[in-house]
Amino acid sequence: DTAVSQTPKYLVTQMGNDKSIKCEQNLGHDTMYWYKQDSKKFLKIMFSYNNKELIINETVPNRFSPKSPDKAHLNLHINSLELGDSAVYFCASSQLGGGNTIYFGEGSWLTVV
Amino acid sequence: GQQLNQSPQSMFIQEGEDVSMNCTSSSIFNTWLWYKQDPGEGPVLLIALYKAGELTSNGRLTAQFGITRKDSFLNISASIPSDVGIYFCAGRSGNQFYFGTGTSLTVIP
Repeated sequence: DTAVSQTPKYLVTQMGNDKSIKCEQNLGHDTMYWYKQDSKKFLKIMFSYNNKELIINETVPNRFSPKSPDKAHLNLHINSLELGDSAVYFCASSQLGGGNTIYFGEGSWLTVV
Repeated sequence: GQQLNQSPQSMFIQEGEDVSMNCTSSSIFNTWLWYKQDPGEGPVLLIALYKAGELTSNGRLTAQFGITRKDSFLNISASIPSDVGIYFCAGRSGNQFYFGTGTSLTVIP
């Protein structure tokens, strides 16, 4: 079983559309994250949720809205997609105070045309 | 968010050579992590370091948690073609994990 799974893996969509990326972790972790990886491969934190509560919200356009229905899921909804949103989005999870390591999903490749 | 300084940015080496890369920060971290990312995949954890001065090995990989807690090193011995990929360091401070800028490794057979 994949520890951190996200869907879809590939997404091609037109400007202006709204799309969602789903993430689930089966590690029993209490904290989940969304990272954006740009064309230069930089990994930038977007959001972090601990036990369903938002704890990190970096400077991200409010078109991006995370939703955590329970601590095993953290979904990312993006409204009014723009060309600059094209990137790879990684979901991740960790157990703060536990092993203090972070585990990543396989990524979602978003292309906005 | 903070970005850690990782060097070198890229490396092209012959199979069998040893590799060294490092990561520095202006802040102190409680945990240092090293990841490898293969093309089309997510970063995969290689080594985790939890104490200043700690030296940990994982097969041909060895990493060290710097004494100052502001740096870390990763060494790969006797490189093989499957070592190709992007290597990332990460430091943990509180609830946040900060990532390095990545080192792209190419191994020439």
